[in-house]
Amino acid sequence: AQSVTQLGSHVSVSEGALVLLRCNYSSSVPPYLFWYVQYPNQGLQLLLKYTSAATLVKGINGFEAEFKKSETSFHLTKPSAHMSDAAEYFCAVSVGDAGGTSYGKLTFGQGTILTVHP
Amino acid sequence: GAVVSQHPSRVICKSGTSVKIECRSLDFQATTMFWYRQFPKQSLMLMATSNEGSKATYEQGVEKDKFLINHASLTLSTLTVTSAHPEDSSFYICSAGLTLKRAFFGQGTRLTVV
Repeated sequence: AQSVTQLGSHVSVSEGALVLLRCNYSSSVPPYLFWYVQYPNQGLQLLLKYTSAATLVKGINGFEAEFKKSETSFHLTKPSAHMSDAAEYFCAVSVGDAGGTSYGKLTFGQGTILTVHP
Repeated sequence: GAVVSQHPSRVICKSGTSVKIECRSLDFQATTMFWYRQFPKQSLMLMATSNEGSKATYEQGVEKDKFLINHASLTLSTLTVTSAHPEDSSFYICSAGLTLKRAFFGQGTRLTVV
């Protein structure tokens, strides 16, 4: 079974500062990894995904993440935080199966609330 | 891009009544959809896997008689919370996978049972 651990339930940064949200995963097979953002009372928006191609993945809104197999990590970064980045972020893993019946079946981390100060 | 629509976005119901939540894939067919629940300040937890034309698969600890799932067509899955109680108040989100590498989420439904 796969699992995801997000280190730090709350992260606070100043506007313009580096954003680093940590995610470690556990999976017995090569995983697909995702970062989602959730604004209050809204659904999930995909930021980026790793699907066994390039290990450095660029997403929307200036975010990127690097898959490091040796560290079983998939940390999310953004060079310069913006006030609009304040939200909750979820790391998720999907392993699926050969039959494809697990399309969309994800295991989520606990979430990290990002606060951006002016 | 592929879109999953969930309705309603918010619902308030009285304790003991039933509530139906719909999840539609708008421009693709989804033989499998997933229902998640998110309690306040917690992560999303998978409740069940909805399979078109067959019974849903429920995660451990989820009452199948309380959370009825119907996936009668390739574009629609419904979740009915039966005899709702205040502890069922939560944020319910559905998803459908277009490929193994991508899941699309509905907007979510905020259920409040009073």
